[in-house]
Amino acid sequence: AQKVTQAQTEISVVEKEDVTLDCVYETRDTTYYLFWYKQPPSGELVFLIRRNSFDEQNEISGRYSWNFQKSTSSFNFTITASQVVDSAVYFCALSEAGDSGGSNYKLTFGKGTLLTVNP
Amino acid sequence: AAGVIQSPRHLIKEKRETATLKCYPIPRHDTVYWYQQGPGQDPQFLISFYEKMQSDKGSIPDRFSAQQFSDYHSELNMSSLELGDSALYFCASSLVPVIALGTQYFGPGTRLLVL
Repeated sequence: AQKVTQAQTEISVVEKEDVTLDCVYETRDTTYYLFWYKQPPSGELVFLIRRNSFDEQNEISGRYSWNFQKSTSSFNFTITASQVVDSAVYFCALSEAGDSGGSNYKLTFGKGTLLTVNP
Repeated sequence: AAGVIQSPRHLIKEKRETATLKCYPIPRHDTVYWYQQGPGQDPQFLISFYEKMQSDKGSIPDRFSAQQFSDYHSELNMSSLELGDSALYFCASSLVPVIALGTQYFGPGTRLLVL
């Protein structure tokens, strides 16, 4: 069964600090997909990034960067020079095709990390 | 760009009543997922549909049912509501090509409160 662990329940930083959110996953599939979603106080879930299991390239998008390491089953997320608007709950999620024959990719979420960026 | 639409955004019901939540996926998306997020919890998968057929089922109570219609919109029907059904219900849609996975884009959610 697939499982996602976000060990950090809450993180509090001061604006402009760098912060890394950890994500460790478990899966039996050789093909799987990893995601990060942001949930601000307003409640919606905002897609940030998707990474395929066969693509271990790290990615940078503005102040956001992601470090995918299959050897340690980790997919960590770093925010550089954090801002107050980054305050939100961040969810790491995993999807695998399982036995559905390719028609279903339900997401299994971690418990989320509440990031608070103080001015 | 068009996003996933959910209605209503807020819903208040009494115990044992019935509720219907609606989801309109992003145009041309063929897959719809429903998730339930309790207070302070992570979203939990309920059920999904691909090309109007149920494709997977998660921890969805027997009191709940759902379907996807010919225009790809989906409805989640919830009967005999219980206090524990109070949650944020998300619909997500994706496009699932034959080979690659489609990213799930979430709607704004329906906040259900059962009194």
